[in-house]
Amino acid sequence: SAVISQKPSRDICQRGTSLTIQCQVDSQVTMMFWYRQQPGQSLTLIATANQGSEATYESGFVIDKFPISRPNLTFSTLTVSNMSPEDSSIYLCSVLDGYNEQFFGPGTRLTVL
Amino acid sequence: AQSVAQPEDQVNVAEGNPLTVKCTYSVSGNPYLFWYVQYPNRGLQFLLKYITGDNLVKGSYGFEAEFNKSQTSFHLKKPSALVSDSALYFCAVRASSRMNDMRFGAGTRLTVKP
Repeated sequence: SAVISQKPSRDICQRGTSLTIQCQVDSQVTMMFWYRQQPGQSLTLIATANQGSEATYESGFVIDKFPISRPNLTFSTLTVSNMSPEDSSIYLCSVLDGYNEQFFGPGTRLTVL
Repeated sequence: AQSVAQPEDQVNVAEGNPLTVKCTYSVSGNPYLFWYVQYPNRGLQFLLKYITGDNLVKGSYGFEAEFNKSQTSFHLKKPSALVSDSALYFCAVRASSRMNDMRFGAGTRLTVKP
């Protein structure tokens, strides 16, 4: 199984600022994803992070708001830009391994004031 | 597009009793089905999956799930619940043809009382 770490684990930010979340995997993986889990709700896929190319965003999510980088097969970042209180969520990094199992990081709990 | 329904927001059982957390799905083509558990202030932990083969799948911590194609269900079960099983459980589905599109159910909060 893949071991995933995220930084920061939590943060409290002011409206209008941006936060970059880092995701590190202990092995090379082809597919990495970013999810959002709003308070009391299920997980929603934000985008698939593609190594060496632009991320693929789901309906309702745009690159200007959630820019993503994936410089190699073990690392990705998600930036939450120009934050508002509605962006308060848990943001989860996820990877798909070669056995069709999908693993999740511990999450980054973001509170926007 | 695929979707998952978890009809119960909350399931309460007594310790030592069997538990069932329900899940039904909708997908075009062959489904890949998963159960995850989320403890407070923790990420999601993988419990088990169904890809192909035996309809009864055994996973971590004594949990199992049964794939029922005719009823499009994938209910999570455990013969004897523990207080430590109390957590939020998510069912998820992915079409075999769409590896980048996993859909999650709304989650079921399981509470096991001593």
